[in-house]
Order: sequence, then structure tokens, then C-alpha cells
Amino acid sequence: EDQVTQSPEALRLQEGESSSLNCSYTVSGLRGLFWYRQDPGKGPEFLFTLYSAGEEKEKERLKATLTKKESFLHITAPKPEDSATYLCAVLHQGGSEKLVFGKGTKLTVNP
Amino acid sequence: KAGVTQTPRYLIKTRGQQVTLSCSPISGHRSVSWYQQTPGQGLQFLFEYFSETQRNKGNFPGRFSGRQFSNSRSEMNVSTLELGDSALYLCASSFGWGNSVRTEAFFGQGTRLTVV
Repeated sequence: EDQVTQSPEALRLQEGESSSLNCSYTVSGLRGLFWYRQDPGKGPEFLFTLYSAGEEKEKERLKATLTKKESFLHITAPKPEDSATYLCAVLHQGGSEKLVFGKGTKLTVNP
Repeated sequence: KAGVTQTPRYLIKTRGQQVTLSCSPISGHRSVSWYQQTPGQGLQFLFEYFSETQRNKGNFPGRFSGRQFSNSRSEMNVSTLELGDSALYLCASSFGWGNSVRTEAFFGQGTRLTVV
């Protein structure tokens, strides 16, 4: 059964203090690993999809990387507006679009 | 380009009632998946529809059902509501063309269901 574990559960940073969020996974044939950002009361906002080990993608202050067992979301010089819950999900090989999610990391960036 | 639209945004229902939620996917997307999000369990997969057929189903009781129309719009229905059904219900849309195509899944803003 596919499993996704995110750590830490919560992270507090000072503005400008860079850090990384971790997503470790076990899946029978990875088709894609997704990162989303979710603000309270809203739907997840798509950030990245990574498809193979060694792949990296960047968007503003965020950079996602993928290995065969885990993914990292690096946040460089965060700002208070980066505060949100970051969700990781995996999609495995097969005909369905079912995503298996981790519980998320709640990031708070203090000014 | 319009995103995924879910209606209504908020619902309050009484135990024992039934409810229908609606999701309009991004134009051109044929796959619609539904998820339940609660503070304790996180996002859990309910079911996925592709070209009007249910392609996958999660571990939820039969009270949860869905369907998809020829224009790819989807509805989910929950009958005999229980207090534990209170949650944020999210739908996601994607092309759904299978393993040979790289895919991205986009979510709507969700429907907040409160059962009292």
C-alpha cells in the first residue's frame, strides 16, 4: 500500500531563515510526486510535479527535489506570505488518478 | 483559463439527511477525483471518475456515491448523513490519460459540509 510521511508536522521560521520540508514515500511504481500549498479553508494550490529521481523544479523561493525514496521542498529566504500547510502526494503507476497524501507540514514564517 | 469550480462552498445539514455536491473540472480535463479532508485524517481519496465511469474507489461506506456527466462535470452524494461526515470535500481535475502522459491535478476550493 502506498504511504507518504511528511516531516516535520509544524515548522516555525523567522523571515529570511531558509529551511527544508521532507516527504518520504513508499509506492509500487511512482508515476509522479506532487507538492501543494494549502491556506486555511481553501483547496490545495498546485506547486510542482516531479516524475523521476534527480529531477528538480523551482518557483520563486521554492525548490523541490526528488530521490528514489523522498522529496524535499526547500524554502529560501521565506516571507510571512509563505505561511501555509504544504502537502505532498504520490501517484502510482496504473490507470487511476488517485493521489495518496501525507498529513502535511504547517509552516509559519514570522516577520 | 477557468479553474475547478465546486458548489456550494458551504453547507449545513442535519443528521440523516442527504447532500449533493457539484464539481466542474478545468475545460479539457476528463478525470475528476473526490477527496475528504478532516483535521485528524488529512486528505483521503473517495473515488475517481473518467469519461463517466468510476475508475477507482476509496475505503468509504456505500453512503458515499458519485457520478460524472458527459461534459465531465461530476457530483457526489452522501446519504444518511452522520456527524462524522463533517469535513471539507475537495475535487481535483486532470487529463487522466494514463501512464504515458505526464499529469498535473488541480483542486477546487472545496465544499465545507457541517452536519449537526
